[in-house]
Amino acid sequence: KQEVTQIPAALSVPEGENLVLNCSFTDSAIYNLQWFRQDPGKGLTSLLLIQSSQREQTSGRLNASLDKSSGRSTLYIAASQPGDSATYLCAATGGISGGYNKLIFGAGTRLAVHP
Amino acid sequence: DVKVTQSSRYLVKRTGEKVFLECVQDMDHENMFWYRQDPGLGLRLIYFSYDVKMKEKGDIPEGYSVSREKKERFSLILESASTNQTSMYLCASSSLGGQPQHFGDGTRLSIL
Repeated sequence: KQEVTQIPAALSVPEGENLVLNCSFTDSAIYNLQWFRQDPGKGLTSLLLIQSSQREQTSGRLNASLDKSSGRSTLYIAASQPGDSATYLCAATGGISGGYNKLIFGAGTRLAVHP
Repeated sequence: DVKVTQSSRYLVKRTGEKVFLECVQDMDHENMFWYRQDPGLGLRLIYFSYDVKMKEKGDIPEGYSVSREKKERFSLILESASTNQTSMYLCASSSLGGQPQHFGDGTRLSIL
């Protein structure tokens, strides 16, 4: 059964720092991996999706990488801003035991960027 | 932009009531999903639907049912609400399998 872990659980950084959020998954037979952002009390906003055949995806200051063989993905945020403060979730499809429709979520990394 | 709309942001119901949570998407997506999110447990899939009148159980379907009579609308039904169903409920939709899921703003449901 696919399991997704995110480290660290919480992170506090000064504005302007570059930072990396980590995500690991146990079943490498994923279809894709998706990164989301969640603001307090709100739904999830899709940031980036990496298909299993891809190594990375970029959107603005965000870059997500995928290494299926090691079961890892990272989300790199460049030049962090206070507006980046939120919880970041990664989610992988179910692997061999799951379908490509089902997402398994990590617990999230709570990011605080202070001025 | 994809728009997923959940009918209520906050809802308070009593134990034993039948509760309906509604979700509508405007992008003609085939797939729709219902999740619940709880502190310490994260997001868990309750049910999903890949076509009208088609549904599949997720990881925690007990105590819930769903209805999808039209492609754009997916309803979650709590047959007899209990206090352990107090949670944040999130609806999502996506096009063909493996495409990004897009989420609504969530319904915070309290069962008293």
